[in-house]
Amino acid sequence: SAVISQKPSRDICQRGTSLTIQCQVDSQVTMMFWYRQQPGQSLTLIATANQGSEATYESGFVIDKFPISRPNLTFSTLTVSNMSPEDSSIYLCSVTGPEDGANEKLFFGSGTQLSVL
Amino acid sequence: DQQVKQNSPSLSVQEGRISILNCDYTNSMFDYFLWYKKYPAEGPTFLISISSIKDKNEDGRFTVFLNKSAKHLSLHIVPSQPGDSAVYFCAASPLGSNYQLIWGAGTKLIIKP
Repeated sequence: SAVISQKPSRDICQRGTSLTIQCQVDSQVTMMFWYRQQPGQSLTLIATANQGSEATYESGFVIDKFPISRPNLTFSTLTVSNMSPEDSSIYLCSVTGPEDGANEKLFFGSGTQLSVL
Repeated sequence: DQQVKQNSPSLSVQEGRISILNCDYTNSMFDYFLWYKKYPAEGPTFLISISSIKDKNEDGRFTVFLNKSAKHLSLHIVPSQPGDSAVYFCAASPLGSNYQLIWGAGTKLIIKP
């Protein structure tokens, strides 16, 4: 399984500011994803981070609000821009298993607990 | 509209007894189902999965049952241990989804000593 380091683990931010979350994987992985878990709710996929090209965003999420970078096969960042209290959530980096055909088995970082005041 | 539902936000079970966590889904195109376990301040970790061509999959103390006609799956943990206390998420994957999982809201399992 992949070892995923995600930081920061938590942050408290002021409204209107931006926070960049980093995700580092110990091996090259094909697919990386960013999820959000709002309080008491299920995990929601924000986007798929594509290496060397623009991320693929899910319905309801846009690049201006959640810009994503993926410069190589082991690293990605998610920025939460112009934050409001509604952005208070856990943000999770996720990768697919190293083997092909892993049948949707995902590995997750420990998450970033974001609170916006 | 929630396509994957876990209707019990929490469940309390005596140590040594069986824990049964339930999950319902609405999309008949889901062909793969997974259970994840999450401890506080950690990311979810994969627990067990089942393909839609099966009705049961077992791995040690964990068994997942799938009832396609009822669009229902359940996770059985027996015997329950204190380390099983966590939030359990059910997730489903549509055919050809390319890792696009649909998640339930989770059930918090508390194992009482």
